[in-house]
Amino acid sequence: EVQLVESGGGLAQPGGSLRLSCAASGFTLRNYSLDWVRQAPGKGLEWLSYISSSSVIYYADSVRGRFTISRDNAKNSLYLQMDSLRAEDTAVYYCVIDADYAFHIWGQGTMVTVSS
Amino acid sequence: QSALTQPPSASGSPGQSVTISCTGTSGDVGRYNYVSWYQQHPDKAPKLMIYEVTKRPSGVPDRFSGSKSGNTASLTVSGLQADDEADYYCSSYAGSNNLWVFGGGTKLTVL
Repeated sequence: EVQLVESGGGLAQPGGSLRLSCAASGFTLRNYSLDWVRQAPGKGLEWLSYISSSSVIYYADSVRGRFTISRDNAKNSLYLQMDSLRAEDTAVYYCVIDADYAFHIWGQGTMVTVSS
Repeated sequence: QSALTQPPSASGSPGQSVTISCTGTSGDVGRYNYVSWYQQHPDKAPKLMIYEVTKRPSGVPDRFSGSKSGNTASLTVSGLQADDEADYYCSSYAGSNNLWVFGGGTKLTVL
């Protein structure tokens, strides 16, 4: 079964850091572009970052300079390093397979709460 | 405020059709034929329903269809079923800096 599983969420203090991971099973990530998308509680979806199969990277204005996307094809995994966290970063974070200019496969999400 | 504008709610009775709009700009919806639609049930991850304006992934019923005119894209759900009750989000490729934009979501209620 094709599956993405995020981990690494939890409680962080304002100004703190967290590193999210996304592991793929049932398929190989190396050939795919990948994204992180988040959803604040009760709110809509927000695109955060993109990394191509050749590691071309883009960020949304809201996280540029604070978040870093990376991938490890050998570990079949995607990562999001989140620094300088703010209360407004509180959300469920999804990793997503990006193909045909659409978000085809979504993980189940991992919750990040930023609070003192 | 979301980059794409969707109505907050829509409704229809079982068997009826409902259309949800998604309005962007000439820089996103109007420029690219890369509009996609996502269905999200409560506490679940979103699911791709339509991509490249009109295409359906394998397994998505043909009751779901997409279209676009100018800066506005639309999702039509025909033959409404109880399980169609969910939140629906549109998205468009926007190029340049912020690659992707989403709509604020539409809560579809099956009466």
